[in-house]
Amino acid sequence: DGGITQSPKYLFRKEGQNVTLSCEQNLNHDAMYWYRQDPGQGLRLIYYSQIVNDFQKGDIAEGYSVSREKKESFPLTVTSAQKNPTAFYLCASATRDFGSPLHFGNGTRLTVT
Amino acid sequence: RKEVEQDPGPFNVPEGATVAFNCTYSNSASQSFFWYRQDCRKEPKLLMSVYSSGNEDGRFTAQLNRASQYISLLIRDSKLSDSATYLCVVTDSNYQLIWGAGTKLIIKP
Repeated sequence: DGGITQSPKYLFRKEGQNVTLSCEQNLNHDAMYWYRQDPGQGLRLIYYSQIVNDFQKGDIAEGYSVSREKKESFPLTVTSAQKNPTAFYLCASATRDFGSPLHFGNGTRLTVT
Repeated sequence: RKEVEQDPGPFNVPEGATVAFNCTYSNSASQSFFWYRQDCRKEPKLLMSVYSSGNEDGRFTAQLNRASQYISLLIRDSKLSDSATYLCVVTDSNYQLIWGAGTKLIIKP
């Protein structure tokens, strides 16, 4: 079955450490996205990529970095520069067709103490 | 004003009742509209796209009102399993998706 896999599901880190969240998809989608969700707020876009080896900052990119070396993979690194990293992180993919809906992974819940 | 606004709820509704909620958007150039459903501590899942003429999928009906810039979701004969948060999504003028914060729905037996 095709889908998007995020790992790990739960992640705990000490403040000051970088951490990388994995996102892999086998849907053959060109576009991939990273969102952050905090309680009571809508999803906020961190980074997105429409094609391999290219990505753009979203609304809240500061303190995060990404790479897109393969079509299937779009890892997100939460750096120590991110002021409030504790959140629910969601990866999504879509075709490049206009208006194409997103397909989400099951999320990674990051807790930084 | 937020770009996409939803009543956060919760809407407490008895099983079998009909419930409707709206989502307003600020960008008149928005072209695509979606409703997603999100269960507690899970990822959002596409419920339905919203088309200009309105569309129905079983017990769910979505409508778009461009003049007043809102979309609506109506759920008929509500089930306990309909309890979730319903997220409204709208494209902006750059075709990026803008998410509402969601409306929480609780169906009571």
